[in-house]
Amino acid sequence: DQQVKQNSPSLSVQEGRISILNCDYTNSMFDYFLWYKKYPAEGPTFLISISSIKDKNEDGRFTVFLNKSAKHLSLHIVPSQPGDSAVYFCAARDRGGGNKLTFGTGTQLKVEL
Amino acid sequence: DAGITQSPRHKVTETGTPVTLRCHQTENHRYMYWYRQDPGHGLRLIHYSYGVKDTDKGEVSDGYSVSRSKTEDFLLTLESATSSQTSVYFCAISELSLQLSNQPQHFGDGTRLSIL
Repeated sequence: DQQVKQNSPSLSVQEGRISILNCDYTNSMFDYFLWYKKYPAEGPTFLISISSIKDKNEDGRFTVFLNKSAKHLSLHIVPSQPGDSAVYFCAARDRGGGNKLTFGTGTQLKVEL
Repeated sequence: DAGITQSPRHKVTETGTPVTLRCHQTENHRYMYWYRQDPGHGLRLIHYSYGVKDTDKGEVSDGYSVSRSKTEDFLLTLESATSSQTSVYFCAISELSLQLSNQPQHFGDGTRLSIL
């Protein structure tokens, strides 16, 4: 039973346009949500996060939106750049303790020139 | 970058042999984690530690054991490796306190383990 789902395995966008990556979750005990970026042969790199008490968080070109009623999380990248091409994982923390994360299966983003 | 070193970076071994992976951190963080990444599954938690000698199981702990005798080192052991344990293994660290309640995990660059 996958508690964090990324239903799009891949996404292709043009340079300069907006990239929107989506994530759905089922566990109401999740209280902290994160996005990671991963390049081949490297570990995941933390990108941006949001607490469940907020609905939006921005950091430069990256904005994360949280819709708690829909149990939906999205990452917006504006404008998209070729260096953004990577696999993006969403993750969620259970408030039960241990700062443990549950990850989605990832979305491969390709930003084309 | 967080000071996390995983060793070895690559390993090929045979079924039935013991394997130990090491994670070393220089950040003095309290929490350390071991994940495996497989196609179609994302990252799945194997075990984690919340202090020296304090560990707990994750989602996919069967066939794995861990030890943490020092703050900076977290070892993952496959007592008798099987082909199903062929994967990429990632270590992560984080800090957590009343003052720092929302802290991301930071990852090492992984160990690619192949069991033939």
